[in-house]
Amino acid sequence: AAGVIQSPRHLIKEKRETATLKCYPIPRHDTVYWYQQGPGQDPQFLISFYEKMQSDKGSIPDRFSAQQFSDYHSELNMSSLELGDSALYFCASSAPDRGVNEQFFGPGTRLTVL
Amino acid sequence: GENVEQHPSTLSVQEGDSAVIKCTYSDSASNYFPWYKQELGKRPQLIIDIRSNVGEKKDQRIAVTLNKTAKHFSLHITETQPEDSAVYFCAGTMFSGGYNKLIFGAGTRLAVHP
Repeated sequence: AAGVIQSPRHLIKEKRETATLKCYPIPRHDTVYWYQQGPGQDPQFLISFYEKMQSDKGSIPDRFSAQQFSDYHSELNMSSLELGDSALYFCASSAPDRGVNEQFFGPGTRLTVL
Repeated sequence: GENVEQHPSTLSVQEGDSAVIKCTYSDSASNYFPWYKQELGKRPQLIIDIRSNVGEKKDQRIAVTLNKTAKHFSLHITETQPEDSAVYFCAGTMFSGGYNKLIFGAGTRLAVHP
């Protein structure tokens, strides 16, 4: 079965650079969530989208922005990167309108900021 | 907002023993409680979930119980095996426009010794 796809899997950036993370949800899933997981920590909710509209916002810095496109893929844009942004970034998808409340996670993007 | 607390933070058992992880939540409106297993550097994987209209759910060696009155839920793993070693996260959902972001507990690192 098709799963959530994330790219790139690994990303190394310098401080103050920008990064773009991409997420392709499971086919027919219209809701996308982004989570940030620091070393030894639980995943922290950043932002979510439903039908291309932002549906909720969590602890996402103003330096970050995201959107969901017409094909339901989503991109997380991160600017003015800081050392503390180094983490695993997970995207998850679900389809609540079809009763699929479960969130299925992608493999994650490991971002390292030097 | 929702707050999920998870105990213990680490758990060490002998192969074949049972393991129990407990979580409490604060928002009485939460109605969906998934459990995720995460191996080092990998994605969280849903292993079982429970909805608030159910008190107990079982899937082979894994079971989850929910006490809505006390606002706590627990994961039970019987006949543990070394491959059960991982970090386990409980989560609760707080309704937010119908598209539920997951609020995670801090995680329990389970070690199963042969």
